[in-house]
Amino acid sequence: EDKVVQSPLSLVVHEGDTVTLNCSYEVTNFRSLLWYKQEKKAPTFLFMLTSSGIEKKSGRLSSILDKKELFSILNITATQTGDSAVYLCAVMDSNYQLIWGAGTKLIIKP
Amino acid sequence: DGGITQSPKYLFRKEGQNVTLSCEQNLNHDAMYWYRQDPGQGLRLIYYSQIVNDFQKGDIAEGYSVSREKKESFPLTVTSAQKNPTAFYLCASSGSGGGKLRSYNEQFFGPGTRLTVL
Repeated sequence: EDKVVQSPLSLVVHEGDTVTLNCSYEVTNFRSLLWYKQEKKAPTFLFMLTSSGIEKKSGRLSSILDKKELFSILNITATQTGDSAVYLCAVMDSNYQLIWGAGTKLIIKP
Repeated sequence: DGGITQSPKYLFRKEGQNVTLSCEQNLNHDAMYWYRQDPGQGLRLIYYSQIVNDFQKGDIAEGYSVSREKKESFPLTVTSAQKNPTAFYLCASSGSGGGKLRSYNEQFFGPGTRLTVL
């Protein structure tokens, strides 16, 4: 059975710290891996990764995929209180269906 | 503005009543999805539709029904057969839509409907 596992489930850090969120997967017919940020309502898209070893960056956020070891990490540097959210990882299979992880709840303390 | 809308934002119903959640998109996306999210859990797929007049069951379709009579609309009915319907429901869409949204890989989400069954 396909599955996506995120760790940690929750994380509390102070503003300015750097955090690393993990996503491991076992998915038959992998197409891509996506990261979303969910604050209070709709998840918003962060990154899509399809190739190993190529880092995607957007401001203080970056992500990389390892297709050999079947995981991805999401890094956030110099965290701010506005980064507090649930970060969701999802893997898309060859049928364009998403298999979702349970998310990591990140809390940034001022 | 292009986007996905869901209504209502909050919905309260008595046990045993059917309720219909609305989802509309003007992104010209082919595919639409319904997810359920429970506290501390990831999104679980209820139904999806890749083309008008066609839809497929997801992982937790029991107790739900959908229709796709128009490309823009994908309403979800929560029936009385759904044993634990209280949850946050998210609608999403993906597919060729022109401009930077042209992608089947990225799903765009509506704001969600929080359903509470009393």
